[in-house]
Amino acid sequence: QVHLQESGPRLVKPSETLSLTCTVSGGSITSSYWIWIRQPPGKGLEWIGYIHYSGSTHYNTSLKSRATVLVDTSKNQISLRLRAVTAADTAMYYCARMIVPGAVRRAWFDPWGQGALVTVSS
Amino acid sequence: QSVLTQPPSASGTPGQRVTISCSGSSSSVGSNVVNWYQQLPGAAPKLLIYNDNQRPSGVPDRFSGSKSGTSASLAIGGLQSEDEADYYCAAWDDSLDGLWVFGGGTKLTVL
Repeated sequence: QVHLQESGPRLVKPSETLSLTCTVSGGSITSSYWIWIRQPPGKGLEWIGYIHYSGSTHYNTSLKSRATVLVDTSKNQISLRLRAVTAADTAMYYCARMIVPGAVRRAWFDPWGQGALVTVSS
Repeated sequence: QSVLTQPPSASGTPGQRVTISCSGSSSSVGSNVVNWYQQLPGAAPKLLIYNDNQRPSGVPDRFSGSKSGTSASLAIGGLQSEDEADYYCAAWDDSLDGLWVFGGGTKLTVL
């Protein structure tokens, strides 16, 4: 059974870079696509970007090119970098597997990691 | 503001049937599958319904999904106290370069 675990600093200063890692266990990262989704406290879900194990990516344009998602197949990990953060980036950050039955538009997210709450504050 | 529209809240008593709606557009719900996620208090979201109306293994058949045109619905029959959670719909949107869109979430209260 695939299990995902997010890790990384939980406190980031404004204007700096948020960095998180998602470690995949119980399965190979080369089996699928992987996505980062965030949830501000008390609010709804917002996708950040997704990556195929080959390295191809697709991002939410509302983040104005601040996000980068990378894959490390040797460590079975994906990572997220979010540059120039502000208080508005304070959120629970989740990684999830995207199950893609032929086309991304038909995908769903399962399972999800437990999440990492990142606070942006000086 | 969420691209998919859900009622912010819903409620029911144990044993009742509750329905949660999810309204989108021709480029989202009207063209692509809808998935539903359940988020129990303090937990990560969990897949509840995929491909409009399919249940993953382990999800009780009390949960069902449907779709018509640009609207989708999640129905929960035989409501139980452990169903109290936030429910989110999601779909791919063909606009621009393509993007994932979510509903704002519906908080279900079991009275």
